[in-house]
Amino acid sequence: GAVVSQHPSWVICKSGTSVKIECRSLDFQATTMFWYRQFPKQSLMLMATSNEGSKATYEQGVEKDKFLINHASLTLSTLTVTSAHPEDSSFYICSAREKWRPRELFFGEGSRLTVL
Amino acid sequence: QKEVEQDPGPLSVPEGAIVSLNCTYSNSAFQYFMWYRQYSRKGPELLMYTYSSGNKEDGRFTAQVDKSSKYISLFIRDSQPSDSATYLCAMPSGGSYIPTFGRGTSLIVHP
Repeated sequence: GAVVSQHPSWVICKSGTSVKIECRSLDFQATTMFWYRQFPKQSLMLMATSNEGSKATYEQGVEKDKFLINHASLTLSTLTVTSAHPEDSSFYICSAREKWRPRELFFGEGSRLTVL
Repeated sequence: QKEVEQDPGPLSVPEGAIVSLNCTYSNSAFQYFMWYRQYSRKGPELLMYTYSSGNKEDGRFTAQVDKSSKYISLFIRDSQPSDSATYLCAMPSGGSYIPTFGRGTSLIVHP
């Protein structure tokens, strides 16, 4: 149980284009989803928290107009990187938790974005 | 000072060794302690979760918490090459339980 699926696992795009990453909880209802960014040999950097049906809460320094997050249902959240630039290249990971286990996060497999 | 400190390593050990991975923290409000394992190019997976001081064992893994010293450890017995990964400690706090992660320790178990 507690499986989180993230898609795509890797994507290459041209500078200036937008990329959408999906995060799905397959066997539980994710009342909250989190989006992280991870640089090589670095820890997870929380970008934003999204609750189903609400606007995402962004961490300080994260541009909400560049990283659009939608959490339209209890099983799906999406991260759209708009007008991507090479400096946006990174490993993006989503995680989800359910209402009854608020301290446990279940992570997706991650998505590696390369912007040319 | 960061809230959670973790030596990034890498820590290289021979197969069969006992491995000790550690984190220190500064926020005495942390009450729950978690260890995640992350293989290269994958998302983290929850290994162990403990609340109180003392030891918690699960197979070859033992989590130890010393709240008085603000120090937690993860021990791996009879380490295997398949244990090679990055191990992150995490501590949720506050009403939102959003965890603070350590930067992770890279472990390499060589045959």
